[in-house]
Amino acid sequence: DVKVTQSSRYLVKRTGEKVFLECVQDMDHENMFWYRQDPGLGLRLIYFSYDVKMKEKGDIPEGYSVSREKKERFSLILESASTNQTSMYLCASRQPPGTSGPHGSGANVLTFGAGSRLTVL
Amino acid sequence: GQQVMQIPQYQHVQEGEDFTTYCNSSTTLSNIQWYKQRPGGHPVFLIQLVKSGEVKKQKRLTFQFGEAKKNSSLHITATQTTDVGTYFCAGPSTGTYKYIFGTGTRLKVLA
Repeated sequence: DVKVTQSSRYLVKRTGEKVFLECVQDMDHENMFWYRQDPGLGLRLIYFSYDVKMKEKGDIPEGYSVSREKKERFSLILESASTNQTSMYLCASRQPPGTSGPHGSGANVLTFGAGSRLTVL
Repeated sequence: GQQVMQIPQYQHVQEGEDFTTYCNSSTTLSNIQWYKQRPGGHPVFLIQLVKSGEVKKQKRLTFQFGEAKKNSSLHITATQTTDVGTYFCAGPSTGTYKYIFGTGTRLKVLA
């Protein structure tokens, strides 16, 4: 089974701190995504990466940056945390459509990590 | 911009009643996916629909993709307490790798 691991389940940070959220997947997926989930708003895409060192803004990139130096790892960075960034952050990975993973995992299916609940005080 | 809307936002049902959630896109979709998120958990893939008018079943769950490929529905027959959670639809953003998620329908089943 594809496994997506997020480094921290719960974090509490102070306004202005720099925050790193780490995500690692073990199935050689090309695409990786960062979403935030807030009540009533569903999942909103912050950034995604379609390959190593390649990134693209999602729908709500302001206040965030990302890094993908290795295929398996996709980091979300909050340069200066603010209280309105208190949220649940979900990382996901996927093989793009038209391909299949090394263990036959379905292409185009998003596999999510357990999530990181960030509270900014 | 492209939007994927989902209704209702919340639904409470008695165990054994049926449940339906609807997903509507502002644009035609090449495919649509459904995910389920249990309370305290993360979204888990349920199914993908690709063809116009496609209907797929998973036990008590029936998924349908509209003829115009702009809407979809998930119907659960005779709900059980194990069906509790939030159901999301997700559709691809035209010409990109992005998937746009609906706002989700949160289902509560009363025993």
